[in-house]
Parts: sequence; structure tokens; C-alpha cells
Amino acid sequence: AQSVTQPDIHITVSEGASLELRCNYSYGATPYLFWYVQSPGQGLQLLLKYFSGDTLVQGIKGFEAEFKRSQSSFNLRKPSVHWSDAAEYFCAVDLSGAGSYQLTFGKGTKLSVIP
Amino acid sequence: KAGVTQTPRYLIKTRGQQVTLSCSPISGHRSVSWYQQTPGQGLQFLFEYFSETQRNKGNFPGRFSGRQFSNSRSEMNVSTLELGDSALYLCASTWDPSGGEQYFGPGTRLTVT
Repeated sequence: AQSVTQPDIHITVSEGASLELRCNYSYGATPYLFWYVQSPGQGLQLLLKYFSGDTLVQGIKGFEAEFKRSQSSFNLRKPSVHWSDAAEYFCAVDLSGAGSYQLTFGKGTKLSVIP
Repeated sequence: KAGVTQTPRYLIKTRGQQVTLSCSPISGHRSVSWYQQTPGQGLQFLFEYFSETQRNKGNFPGRFSGRQFSNSRSEMNVSTLELGDSALYLCASTWDPSGGEQYFGPGTRLTVT
């Protein structure tokens, strides 16, 4: 069965420092890939997506992610973290191309930012 | 465009009762999905509807059901509530009938006592 792994449950960084959140997926083909962010008590906001083409994708709020087929990874990065980035981040895959019409999420990485 | 709206935002029910949650997708979006979010299990897919047809269902008991109306609005129903049904229920919509990016509502926080 397909799965999404976010190995880091909680990450703490200082404001201004760089950030990388890891995501690996398990699936035979290349699915659609997404990163979502969730602030406490809120729904999910789409940060960026990868469908095909250029493996480095840009998103909102200064985030980017790189798709690496050989590693089945889709890591999220930001060069300089702001205090407002503190939230929980979810990686997700969409296998709709295979007819599933659903997102499968990782368990999430909670980001804390030290002022 | 208005985003995905969900009503009610908060709900407290007693074990054994049933509950209906509502979701209005973004205008023009015909696919609506439902997810359950709990601290222990994370985000889990419940079901997806497109043009009033359920196309996919997650691994949940039959107490969880849903439907979609001709205006794409969707409802989900949980019967015979259990304590473990306490969760944030999220609705998402997409314009793409073959899948793709989904836009989420703020969720309905259900507490079962």
C-alpha cells in the first residue's frame, strides 16, 4: 500500500535560520505531490504542488520543494524562517491518476520557531 | 471566490447520537472529499464525491456515510457516535475531476462525550 513518511515529528529552528522538512513516499509510479500547512485550530493551506516537469517547485510564503525520483522524496525548504512559519506541515500524495481520488498524508512535522 | 465553508464549526454530541456535517465547496468545484483528523491517526480519507457519485471510500465503518447534492454541496453523517469519533472533520474540494490539488475548509470540531 502507498505510504508517506515524514521522519521528523517536531523540529525547532531559530528565526532567520534555514529549514528543510523531509518527506518520502512509497509508490511504484510518481504521484502528484503536495505540501500543506496547518495552523492550530485551522484547516490545511496548500503551500505547493508537484505534478510533473521541473523538479524544483516554488510555493507561497517563500517555500520551495525538490522532487527526487531516485530517492522517492519531496523535501520542503525555506532559506530563512519567520516566526509566523510556526505550524504543522503535512506532505501528501495524490494517486488520482491511478483512480483513487484521495490524498494520503504523512503524520506531519510540527515546526517551532525560536525568536 | 469564497473558500470552502463548513458548518457547524464546533459540535458536542453524546455517545449513541448521530450527527450531520455540511460542506460547501468553492464555486465551480464538483469534487468534494472528507477527511478525519485525530492526534493518534493523523489525517485519514473518508470518502470522495463527484457529481453526486461516491467514487472512493476510505477504511471507515458503515456508520460513516455521505452524500453530495446537485449543487455540489456535501454532507457527511455519523450514526451511533462513539468516543473515538471525536475529531476534526475536514472537507476539501477540487475543480479537477481527475484529481489534483485540493482546497480545504476550516473543519468541524466534533466532540463526543
